[in-house]
Amino acid sequence: EAGVTQSPTHLIKTRGQQATLRCSPISGHTSVYWYQQALGLGLQFLLWYDEGEERNRGNFPPRFSGRQFPNYSSELNVNALELEDSALYLCASSLEQGAFGYTFGSGTRLTVV
Amino acid sequence: DAKTTQPTSMDCAEGRAANLPCNHSTISGNEYVYWYRQIHSQGPQYIIHGLKNNETNEMASLIITEDRKSSTLILPHATLRDTAVYYCIVRSLNQAGTALIFGKGTTLSVSS
Repeated sequence: EAGVTQSPTHLIKTRGQQATLRCSPISGHTSVYWYQQALGLGLQFLLWYDEGEERNRGNFPPRFSGRQFPNYSSELNVNALELEDSALYLCASSLEQGAFGYTFGSGTRLTVV
Repeated sequence: DAKTTQPTSMDCAEGRAANLPCNHSTISGNEYVYWYRQIHSQGPQYIIHGLKNNETNEMASLIITEDRKSSTLILPHATLRDTAVYYCIVRSLNQAGTALIFGKGTTLSVSS
């Protein structure tokens, strides 16, 4: 069974640009969660999608947005990139709102220069 | 989510048992205890979870005290590959609209 896959692995953008990160959940998982982990810091919850709807978001500005497609894959968009957006972005998927644990992908390393 | 308290770091010799404690004194009756770990620059990995009974799987054992105010994750024979940050999280299954909230965790260093 394939795990959670994220693309691209690494992404370098210039300040002010937009970044798009992609996540494919485990087959059958309907919930997708996005987290940000800046260097040396903990995991910060960003967004939760379930059945195509945004269910909850963390304390992040509106320029962080995303969507979930009918096949449950998800996209995270970060507009007007700032230097402090440089971080590892992790996606996780689960069944039933994480009742049986989340499975995380390996992440996308975003560097803003 | 109820707050958890974990030591910042722990050391363990390879081949010995690693016992990682977690305090969750304000845990509610319907909240589970989850453990995850994150090896450097990788995504967190689910280890185990439990409600009130002790649990064991191929990775680890989870011991929850009778009053449920604390728990211990046990890695019975630690290896160098177990070096990671270990997160203890409490969460109920019916917390609609929430996601797992990670604290600072315990950095476990396994040495030969």
